[in-house]
Amino acid sequence: AQTVTQSQPEMSVQEAETVTLSCTYDTSESNYYLFWYKQPPSRQMILVIRQEAYKQQNATENRFSVNFQKAAKSFSLKISDSQLGDTAMYFCASPGQNFVFGPGTRLSVLP
Amino acid sequence: EPEVTQTPSHQVTQMGQEVILRCVPISNHLYFYWYRQILGQKVEFLVSFYNNEISEKSEIFDDQFSVERPDGSNFTLKIRSTKLEDSAMYFCASRQTGDDAEAFFGQGTRLTVV
Repeated sequence: AQTVTQSQPEMSVQEAETVTLSCTYDTSESNYYLFWYKQPPSRQMILVIRQEAYKQQNATENRFSVNFQKAAKSFSLKISDSQLGDTAMYFCASPGQNFVFGPGTRLSVLP
Repeated sequence: EPEVTQTPSHQVTQMGQEVILRCVPISNHLYFYWYRQILGQKVEFLVSFYNNEISEKSEIFDDQFSVERPDGSNFTLKIRSTKLEDSAMYFCASRQTGDDAEAFFGQGTRLTVV
């Protein structure tokens, strides 16, 4: 069974600073995808970024990037130039047959 | 842009009553899911549905729950006899196919059992 762990229940960062959210996972699959989803106060689940496990290059989407360490089964999310609108719950997710979510990290961006 | 839609956005029901939560997945998607999120807690997998049948269900998905795709477009979650602890956000999601496919989520239905 796949498991996803996020060890930081809450984090805060000053506006314009950089923050890194941690995620580790366990899977028996050799080829898979990993995702970060954002859940703002509106409760909508929004895809932030996706990483393909067979690609060595870390995915980047504007201010969001990942540090993917396949051997360590680590998939952290870096948010650069944090903005107030980044305040949200962030969930790391691994698909497989079902989408398995980590417990989430509540990020607060402070003015 | 195609999206997953859920209705109603908020449902209040009396304990013991039956509720049906409705979802319209994206039209060319083949995999459908229901998730539950008790307020402030983790997102929990309930059930996945593929090829008109349940492909996997969690321990939470007991006999009080059922899913249907009644007309080829809607995907429903029925809770037969609601309990107070069923109060949560319920998310429907769909994926086109395969492990690389992003799951698209609906906006959720907030269920309140009183």
